[in-house]
Amino acid sequence: SQELEQSPQSLIVQEGKNLTINCTSSKTLYGLYWYKQKYGEGLIFLMMLQKGGEEKSHEKITAKLDEKKQQSSLHITASQPSHAGIYLCGADRWFGEKLTFGTGTRLTIIP
Amino acid sequence: KAGVTQTPRYLIKTRGQQVTLSCSPISGHRSVSWYQQTPGQGLQFLFEYFSETQRNKGNFPGRFSGRQFSNSRSEMNVSTLELGDSALYLCASSAGTVNTEAFFGQGTRLTVV
Repeated sequence: SQELEQSPQSLIVQEGKNLTINCTSSKTLYGLYWYKQKYGEGLIFLMMLQKGGEEKSHEKITAKLDEKKQQSSLHITASQPSHAGIYLCGADRWFGEKLTFGTGTRLTIIP
Repeated sequence: KAGVTQTPRYLIKTRGQQVTLSCSPISGHRSVSWYQQTPGQGLQFLFEYFSETQRNKGNFPGRFSGRQFSNSRSEMNVSTLELGDSALYLCASSAGTVNTEAFFGQGTRLTVV
């Protein structure tokens, strides 16, 4: 069963606004991945977090893993149309699986 | 450095047929994992190979199988196709097996009619 929940499920944001997507785990995360997917295409690797309190940034996207390693957030600053897509978080090595994915967040950017 | 290559990109098959999908990982990567993505079930883990050995298998019927070659290229096979097998099949490659970055290919869109 899915034990990696993302919120919100969908998000509509005006271009230029900031936004945050959350990924909550029912158990400790030992490796947390963030990916972006355009409809029907492959997943684009964004960031991987491993340590409690870790924060990484790439261009206008910042991802954090909380100290307890049970929640991660993805923050986009000054959103652009190119940020539109589905954002997925993935946990490493749950139940032996290489990656267990969250439910996804569909982001739409309005001009 | 070339990314992960999946072939073919699109496939249409008839119920009862079998299909083979291919994945070429990033050069130097020895781990390949496969996933099925459907609107209803989301992204689900199929199996993982490392150095030609299957390390883990997801909760899929035996009709789904895979293998990995000595050059790390991997194939997955689905026999006796069912309508419900229609999905986007994605593979990911990584250098190691734990807490290493995993990079995905563009996927193979399989439609079963």
